[in-house]
Amino acid sequence: AQTVTQSQPEMSVQEAETVTLSCTYDTSENNYYLFWYKQPPSRQMILVIRQEAYKQQNATENRFSVNFQKAAKSFSLKISDSQLGDTAMYFCAFMKQTGANNLFFGTGTRLTVIP
Amino acid sequence: GAVVSQHPSWVICKSGTSVKIECRSLDFQATTMFWYRQFPKQSLMLMATSNEGSKATYEQGVEKDKFLINHASLTLSTLTVTSAHPEDSSFYICSAPNRGLENNEQFFGPGTRLTVL
Repeated sequence: AQTVTQSQPEMSVQEAETVTLSCTYDTSENNYYLFWYKQPPSRQMILVIRQEAYKQQNATENRFSVNFQKAAKSFSLKISDSQLGDTAMYFCAFMKQTGANNLFFGTGTRLTVIP
Repeated sequence: GAVVSQHPSWVICKSGTSVKIECRSLDFQATTMFWYRQFPKQSLMLMATSNEGSKATYEQGVEKDKFLINHASLTLSTLTVTSAHPEDSSFYICSAPNRGLENNEQFFGPGTRLTVL
């Protein structure tokens, strides 16, 4: 079974500053994907960033980057130059590469960007 | 990008009635769709996997007779909450992987808020 843990229920950051959200996971799979999703008040799930486990290079999408440590099963999200629109729930998620393609979600971190 | 729609976006019903929620993939075919439930301030929990042309697969603890899933076509899956009760009030979200993409990227519907009175 796969489990995803987010140990920070709530975080806050000043606008323009940098914040890191933590995520750890447990799996016996060797090939998988990891994701960070954003859920704003509209509740539409929005993909922020994706990492393939077989890639050693950390994924980057503009102001968003990850620190993927496969051996430690850690997958943190760094948001640089935080903007007010980044205020949302952030979910870390795991998906096996083969077989069932459902996502396993962490409990989420509520991020508030303070003006 | 790929789009998944859900209908209705919100519904209020009386206890004991049944409610049907539709999930459609608008610009790709989805042989599989996933149904999640999200209680307030909680995470998304997988309820079931909807398979086109075959029976749905339910997660442990989810009553298949209460949450009927039908995947009638490659673009439509429906979730029917039968004999709804107040404890079924929740936010229901569907997702569909686009197997035409290398990583089977999933696309989420906007969700359906169900309130049972």
